[in-house]
Amino acid sequence: ETGVTQTPRHLVMGMTNKKSLKCEQHLGHNAMYWYKQSAKKPLELMFVYSLEERVENNSVPSRFSPECPNSSHLFLHLHTLQPEDSALYLCASSQEAGYTDTQYFGPGTRLTVL
Amino acid sequence: TQLLEQSPQFLSIQEGENLTVYCNSSSVFSSLQWYRQEPGEGPVLLVTVVTGGEVKKLKRLTFQFGDARKDSSLHITAAQPGDTGLYLCAGINSGGYQKVTFGTGTKLQVIP
Repeated sequence: ETGVTQTPRHLVMGMTNKKSLKCEQHLGHNAMYWYKQSAKKPLELMFVYSLEERVENNSVPSRFSPECPNSSHLFLHLHTLQPEDSALYLCASSQEAGYTDTQYFGPGTRLTVL
Repeated sequence: TQLLEQSPQFLSIQEGENLTVYCNSSSVFSSLQWYRQEPGEGPVLLVTVVTGGEVKKLKRLTFQFGDARKDSSLHITAAQPGDTGLYLCAGINSGGYQKVTFGTGTKLQVIP
């Protein structure tokens, strides 16, 4: 596998479920990101990790809980979500945190909350 | 809250035509990026412009950063079906870990 991979690609969950999204990067990068892409809003940065340490949390509700066990893996744990949380969740990585280095995006997980 | 408005929102053109997409804000950015996103994929970075007035060319794509670093344009010459996708601009603010604001997006369809 090369680049940035995300699993699952599609997820349907009820509001009381707990699920996790997984992201893996095979690029040797030090920074990883979670973004939310909704149909009616611009792409939004959610979290930034640099060397497994969270360095940015853009006022994201606590029902979204990120985890970065090492620089190659990033998770987004989901619980008690709302229908308005339905969106495409994108993971990205870059050599260092920020936008000086190119960010490489995964294909995303399409999440539907019923 | 910074906003980046893109226009047009949707664009459907015939192969071979030229087009321009605009990205406008009332805020100043230290740099600006353009991405293209194809269905089922994440965005792919096309270019980063950092100097007011800067023009960059990438084959048939020409990118310009406004003199005041508040706006940008993307011009495509002789569009091809492979140019179809969602085009996103992103304004970057420096200082600490850089902040990003994404534009509202322009969905382009090039018909063969």
